[in-house]
Amino acid sequence: DVKVTQSSRYLVKRTGEKVFLECVQDMDHENMFWYRQDPGLGLRLIYFSYDVKMKEKGDIPEGYSVSREKKERFSLILESASTNQTSMYLCASSLHFLSARGRQYFGPGTRLTVT
Amino acid sequence: GIQVEQSPPDLILQEGANSTLRCNFSDSVNNLQWFHQNPWGQLINLFYIPSGTKQNGRLSATTVATERYSLLYISSSQTTDSGVYFCAVMNTGNQFYFGTGTSLTVIP
Repeated sequence: DVKVTQSSRYLVKRTGEKVFLECVQDMDHENMFWYRQDPGLGLRLIYFSYDVKMKEKGDIPEGYSVSREKKERFSLILESASTNQTSMYLCASSLHFLSARGRQYFGPGTRLTVT
Repeated sequence: GIQVEQSPPDLILQEGANSTLRCNFSDSVNNLQWFHQNPWGQLINLFYIPSGTKQNGRLSATTVATERYSLLYISSSQTTDSGVYFCAVMNTGNQFYFGTGTSLTVIP
């Protein structure tokens, strides 16, 4: 089975801090994704990566950056955390974009609170 | 971006009942998936179904790409089916868009 792990289940940070969220997948997937989930809004794509060192902006990239130095690891960075970034952050991976290999597998999520 | 609308937003069922969840999308898509988010927040991939019909046990899904909708059928519902069901689509730029989900509660 595909396993996607995230570094923390719960995280509390202060406004202005730099925050790193880590995601690791163990299935040699090409693609990795970062989403945030807020009540009433569903999941929204922040960034995705289709190869090492390659990244694309999603729907809501403002205030975030990402890093993919190794194929299995995809990091989401909040350069200066703000209270409106309090949310559930979900990481996902997929082998490819199309066909059944385009299925996404999700990690357990990190609930981030910025105070 | 693509607008994804799911209906109904909330659904309460007696155990054993059947249900149909709908996902409408506003543009052509290359990829469509259904997910179940359990009460602990874990998202599980149910189907990859950009077109056609698939079945997996008590669940089945149909996507009519030309008419821009997909349906998820749950038969003989069980309490473990409770949670939120999401539809997600991908456009030609490999961007994914999720609907706001259908929250299902199955009562014993």
